[in-house]
Amino acid sequence: GDSVTQMEGPVTLSEEAFLTINCTYTATGYPSLFWYVQYPGEGLQLLLKATKADDKGSNKGFEATYRKETTSFHLEKGSVQVSDSAVYFCALRRNSGGSNYKLTFGKGTLLTVNP
Amino acid sequence: DTAVSQTPKYLVTQMGNDKSIKCEQNLGHDTMYWYKQDSKKFLKIMFSYNNKELIINETVPNRFSPKSPDKAHLNLHINSLELGDSAVYFCASSQPGGNSPLHFGNGTRLTVT
Repeated sequence: GDSVTQMEGPVTLSEEAFLTINCTYTATGYPSLFWYVQYPGEGLQLLLKATKADDKGSNKGFEATYRKETTSFHLEKGSVQVSDSAVYFCALRRNSGGSNYKLTFGKGTLLTVNP
Repeated sequence: DTAVSQTPKYLVTQMGNDKSIKCEQNLGHDTMYWYKQDSKKFLKIMFSYNNKELIINETVPNRFSPKSPDKAHLNLHINSLELGDSAVYFCASSQPGGNSPLHFGNGTRLTVT
């Protein structure tokens, strides 16, 4: 079945540090890929997405590139802020078939940014 | 505001009770979902509905019964609550296409004592 593997957290960085959160996936065909962010006590918000190979999703300084050859979708940000502290989830969604009707998540990575 | 809204935000109840969580979306989406987030933040699909029709039921106990009276609503009823049901439950909606993201509600924190 489909699966998403994220790097284990927690990740602790100082403000203005470079962030990478690794994400790899296993799926049949060519899924769409997403990063979601969950701030403390809140629901999940879409951060960015990519729907085909070599697409780059970007938002709020975060970027991720859909790499079909390595089945990866790593999240990066050049300079993190304290306000980026949250749990980040990588997810995939199939483009066809019954499994199209769900988003499969990784286990989440807790990021803490210290001033 | 356009959104996915679920009520209540917090639900504290005793083992054996029956409770319901309501969800409504005004985004015009055809597909709605229930997810369960455990204490380690892991998110697992429970149900998905498309145009009021059940599409996915991911080995959820029969004590959980979703009901979709129309495309904009997907409620979750839980019978005979158990300690292990304690979790945060998220409702979400989307268009059915695979490249469409899910839009999530703010969650219902269920605590069973």
